[in-house]
Amino acid sequence: DQQVKQNSPSLSVQEGRISILNCDYTNSMFDYFLWYKKYPAEGPTFLISISSIKDKNEDGRFTVFLNKSAKHLSLHIVPSQPGDSAVYFCAAGDDKIIFGKGTRLHILP
Amino acid sequence: KAGVTQTPRYLIKTRGQQVTLSCSPISGHRSVSWYQQTPGQGLQFLFEYFSETQRNKGNFPGRFSGRQFSNSRSEMNVSTLELGDSALYLCASRQSGGKIYEQYFGPGTRLTVT
Repeated sequence: DQQVKQNSPSLSVQEGRISILNCDYTNSMFDYFLWYKKYPAEGPTFLISISSIKDKNEDGRFTVFLNKSAKHLSLHIVPSQPGDSAVYFCAAGDDKIIFGKGTRLHILP
Repeated sequence: KAGVTQTPRYLIKTRGQQVTLSCSPISGHRSVSWYQQTPGQGLQFLFEYFSETQRNKGNFPGRFSGRQFSNSRSEMNVSTLELGDSALYLCASRQSGGKIYEQYFGPGTRLTVT
């Protein structure tokens, strides 16, 4: 039973436009939600987090939105840049982290 | 500061064999977690070690085990390998007292079981 779901395996976005990556979860007890970014041949790197008591967190070009009633979070990247091409993992947890399967983002020139 | 290192980077084993993977955390980090990444299941938590004790465990069979040494280095062992164990195995370390998501991942060990 997948507790964290990323339903889009891949996404292509034009450079300069907004990239929106989506994630759904099932466990309303999660304390925090995260996004990680992964390049090939490297481990994931932490990108941004949001606590369950907030609905938005912004860090530069990256903003995470949390909709608790819908059990949904999204990552917005504005503007999208070529270096943003990577696999993005959504994750959630309390004492341990549960990851989604990832979404591969392609930024098109 | 050196990052998390994992050895070996690539490994090919035969079904039924066993394998040991190694992880050296960032200096000063006492927590090490292990994850399995496969295309079908994404990143799945295996276990976390802190000060040589297993602190948390995911839903993997007993064939998957780990340990941590006094210098915080950790090893993961998989016995009686199955084809489905082919995956990228990642370890991550973090400081004691740090938030669980403030962890730093190594590059992973790519295990292929034939």
